[in-house]
Amino acid sequence: ELKVEQNPLFLSMQEGKNYTIYCNYSTTSDRLYWYRQDPGKSLESLFVLLSNGAVKQEGRLMASLDTKARLSTLHITAAVHDLSATYFCAVDTSGGSQGNLIFGKGTKLSVKP
Amino acid sequence: DTAVSQTPKYLVTQMGNDKSIKCEQNLGHDTMYWYKQDSKKFLKIMFSYNNKELIINETVPNRFSPKSPDKAHLNLHINSLELGDSAVYFCASSQAQRRGPFMNTEAFFGQGTRLTVV
Repeated sequence: ELKVEQNPLFLSMQEGKNYTIYCNYSTTSDRLYWYRQDPGKSLESLFVLLSNGAVKQEGRLMASLDTKARLSTLHITAAVHDLSATYFCAVDTSGGSQGNLIFGKGTKLSVKP
Repeated sequence: DTAVSQTPKYLVTQMGNDKSIKCEQNLGHDTMYWYKQDSKKFLKIMFSYNNKELIINETVPNRFSPKSPDKAHLNLHINSLELGDSAVYFCASSQAQRRGPFMNTEAFFGQGTRLTVV
């Protein structure tokens, strides 16, 4: 059974600081996605990582994928309050024609002034 | 235009009732999903469905059944509702078939349905 593990699950950080969220998964996959969820809202797609070594950046967030290590990271640079949300990684485990996205438990990020 | 829409947004019902949640996507995707998000915010896949194959998470009770009248719709029927069914249910869709290297199978989510069973 596929396991997708994120850590930390809770992260409280000060504005201006840097931090990294980790996403490990237990089976071969070359498709990994990061989502953001604000309280009471739906999931918003942040990054799509489709190959080993993929790196994507958007504003203060940067995501990378190492398929050999089965690891993705979401790096936060100079955090601001607006980044407070829950961040999920999701791994596509399907080898055939059927999609199957399995999510990590999420990292609840709180950025304090 | 909303890409993935689900109704209702809120649903409060009594134990033992049968209810349905509707989902429609206008993205032309071939695969649709239902996820359950519990009070701890954990997201669990319930069903993955395209016009050829239904994949059911084995932990989902058979009181839950997906119904797809066409490729753009995947409704969720729940029979004999229980207190533990209270959660937020998300519908999603993605393009999963005709996959090849570097093909994006990113899922797009509806706004969620908050189900409360009393």
